[in-house]
Amino acid sequence: EDKVVQSPLSLVVHEGDTVTLNCSYEVTNFRSLLWYKQEKKAPTFLFMLTSSGIEKKSGRLSSILDKKELFSILNITATQTGDSAVYLCAVVQGTYKYIFGTGTRLKVLA
Amino acid sequence: EAQVTQNPRYLITVTGKKLTVTCSQNMNHEYMSWYRQDPGLGLRQIYYSMNVEVTDKGDVPEGYKVSRKEKRNFPLILESPSPNQTSLYFCASSLTSAVTYEQYFGPGTRLTVT
Repeated sequence: EDKVVQSPLSLVVHEGDTVTLNCSYEVTNFRSLLWYKQEKKAPTFLFMLTSSGIEKKSGRLSSILDKKELFSILNITATQTGDSAVYLCAVVQGTYKYIFGTGTRLKVLA
Repeated sequence: EAQVTQNPRYLITVTGKKLTVTCSQNMNHEYMSWYRQDPGLGLRQIYYSMNVEVTDKGDVPEGYKVSRKEKRNFPLILESPSPNQTSLYFCASSLTSAVTYEQYFGPGTRLTVT
């Protein structure tokens, strides 16, 4: 059965901390892995990763994919209260099905 | 403005009363999809469509129907809603291209079935 597992389920940190969110997957015919941020509304796109070892960066956020070990990490440095959200990982299968993990809930305290 | 719209945004209905949630996108995307989001279960794909007249089941299709007669619209139909279909529903669209698999999400429809 195809699955995407995210860890930890939730995380509480203080402003300025660095966090690492994990996403592991077992999916047939992998096409790509995506990260989304969800606040109290629809998910918003962060990164798409298709090749191993190539880091994607956007400001304080970065992500990398390891297709050999079947996982991805999302790093957030110098966290701010505005980073508080649920972070979702999704894998696109060969048939264009999207399989989401259950998410990591991040709370950043001032 | 490029967007995905859903209607209604909130709906309370009774068991067995047929309903339709509409979804429309103005980005000329080939791919459209419906998800439901439940606490602790994340986003689960209900149905998706690669293009007009082409639809496929996602992981939780039971109790739902879809149709794709026009490229911009992808309605979700609940023929006989039941309380276990109470959920937050999202429609999404994207290109079908190896260049990007980024999906654009609608604002969500919160459905309560009593």
